[in-house]
Amino acid sequence: KAGVTQTPRYLIKTRGQQVTLSCSPISGHRSVSWYQQTPGQGLQFLFEYFSETQRNKGNFPGRFSGRQFSNSRSEMNVSTLELGDSALYLCASRENTDTQYFGPGTRLTVL
Amino acid sequence: DAKTTQPPSMDCAEGRAANLPCNHSTISGNEYVYWYRQIHSQGPQYIIHGLKNNETNEMASLIITEDRKSSTLILPHATLRDTAVYYCIVRVPHSGGYQKVTFGTGTKLQVIP
Repeated sequence: KAGVTQTPRYLIKTRGQQVTLSCSPISGHRSVSWYQQTPGQGLQFLFEYFSETQRNKGNFPGRFSGRQFSNSRSEMNVSTLELGDSALYLCASRENTDTQYFGPGTRLTVL
Repeated sequence: DAKTTQPPSMDCAEGRAANLPCNHSTISGNEYVYWYRQIHSQGPQYIIHGLKNNETNEMASLIITEDRKSSTLILPHATLRDTAVYYCIVRVPHSGGYQKVTFGTGTKLQVIP
């Protein structure tokens, strides 16, 4: 099976803009989670979607949102970008087990 | 989920076994121990997990103490490609629903030629 894919891999935006990141899970995986990773804060959970429903949410402001489509693909949106949003955004998928499989990430730079 | 404690960094000579410890003294009876690793600027990669018995797969071995308060991940013959940050996580597996995985700071393993 193909692994988790994320697009784009690299992105440069300016403050105030908005951005949409995409994640395609492993075929058959219905759960998709999003994480933000920064050098200072480490890996932080954003939210998880299962069968198009957001099931859990981390401690991030409302500027961070997501959705999941019927084919389990997921998108994450960040509005009104701030410099501190520069990070590696990771997506992970899983089946009905606790083992998550991560994608390569999208490196977002906000200037 | 129980918290884990790992050394911030370790070195290992290439070809030798790398033994990465993890302390999880507050682990509860139904929590599993999971190990992931993250090679620089890539997504974390699942390595192995276990409940109380020792586990082995093609990547590594997991040794869990009898009281389950600590565990050791063993890479039997470390290569340069094993240089990464290794995360130890303990949690109760969920079935069919949502979950949240909390990663600590991990151990940065440097394999030395």
